[in-house]
Amino acid sequence: KQEVTQIPAALSVPEGENLVLNCSFTDSAIYNLQWFRQDPGKGLTSLLLIQSSQREQTSGRLNASLDKSSGRSTLYIAASQPGDSATYLCAVGGSNYQLIWGAGTKLIIKP
Amino acid sequence: DAGVIQSPRHEVTEMGQEVTLRCKPISGHNSLFWYRQTMMRGLELLIYFNNNVPIDDSGMPEDRFSAKMPNASFSTLKIQPSEPRDSAVYFCASRAGQGDEWRETQYFGPGTRLLVL
Repeated sequence: KQEVTQIPAALSVPEGENLVLNCSFTDSAIYNLQWFRQDPGKGLTSLLLIQSSQREQTSGRLNASLDKSSGRSTLYIAASQPGDSATYLCAVGGSNYQLIWGAGTKLIIKP
Repeated sequence: DAGVIQSPRHEVTEMGQEVTLRCKPISGHNSLFWYRQTMMRGLELLIYFNNNVPIDDSGMPEDRFSAKMPNASFSTLKIQPSEPRDSAVYFCASRAGQGDEWRETQYFGPGTRLLVL
């Protein structure tokens, strides 16, 4: 059974720092891995989707990497801003519809 | 596009009452998902529709929960009777894709925050 873990559960850093969020999964037979952002009281927004054949995806200041063999993904945020404060969730796609979710990392960027 | 639309945004009801949550997926999307999110259990998939047909309802907690998708532009999640432990945020999400669905991301609505007293 696929399990997804995100560490740390919470992270607080000063504005301007580069930071890394971690996601690990137990079964390497995945179709894709996605990173979502959730703002308080709002829905989830997809940030990056990495297919199983890819190693990384980039969007602006965000870069997500995928290492299937080690069961790990990282989300790198460059030059963090207070607007980046949110909860970041990792989700692993193991079939054509199922997503297995991590519990999320709550990120706070201090001005 | 307006994105996924959910209503109501907030619902407060008393135990035993019927609750109906509504979702309008993004036009052209052929997959629809209902999720529940709580602090204790995180995000849980309740039911998945493909082309208006329920494919997997194994996540529906019990017979008090039912979901329908009468057409491609509308879905409902009904709880009858409601209980305090049903209090959660309920999300609807839709996804495009014909064949290679796993290549596509899911688009989430803003959620319905349900409180059952």
